[in-house]
Amino acid sequence: NAGVTQTPKFRVLKTGQSMTLLCAQDMNHEYMYWYRQDPGMGLRLIHYSVGEGTTAKGEVPDGYNVSRLKKQNFLLGLESAAPSQTSVYFCASSSRTGRVYEQYFGPGTRLTVT
Amino acid sequence: GDSVTQMEGPVTLSEEAFLTINCTYTATGYPSLFWYVQYPGEGLQLLLKATKADDKGSNKGFEATYRKETTSFHLEKGSVQVSDSAVYFCALTDGSGNTGKLIFGQGTTLQVKP
Repeated sequence: NAGVTQTPKFRVLKTGQSMTLLCAQDMNHEYMYWYRQDPGMGLRLIHYSVGEGTTAKGEVPDGYNVSRLKKQNFLLGLESAAPSQTSVYFCASSSRTGRVYEQYFGPGTRLTVT
Repeated sequence: GDSVTQMEGPVTLSEEAFLTINCTYTATGYPSLFWYVQYPGEGLQLLLKATKADDKGSNKGFEATYRKETTSFHLEKGSVQVSDSAVYFCALTDGSGNTGKLIFGQGTTLQVKP
């Protein structure tokens, strides 16, 4: 049981390049999320999904796209990277019991855009 | 909108000292409240949670009580250890929605010195 895994762990991009971050979970969770973490700002929600084939915008969605073609995977894409997207990206998946959600986080991807 | 405010860090303590990290929130509906911990170079781990007013969450010697009257969820530990050095995040989930989205405070860094 690996929990939530993220690929890659580190990446350096040049401005204008594109990339996809992969998140995978083996807990059969319906809900998945992408956050970014910046110093002094906590974690901010980029996009999320409440089930296979669904996605929705979070607090800071501009410059990112996502897809949830399979229940266990949630992909985050950057079409044209900008230095402002230098950050640590965390994926999470969530169980739900009644109205209580509990999120489990991956180890993170550190992205630098030069 | 919903928000979480944590005390500024870093907090520096000697081993065996008493810890309090303040957290207050603004929310509509009936949010669940969480404390997450992030050790250096790692993802976030759930430390404890409380799902309704007056609930006390506890884990690994840490405690926090959901206080609706003061909209607070302060984290406490009676005797900290060097191994508790980490970043602590207070968070809430939207109490009126069905997405499980987390809203985080900015994080508080704790340094425990031997």
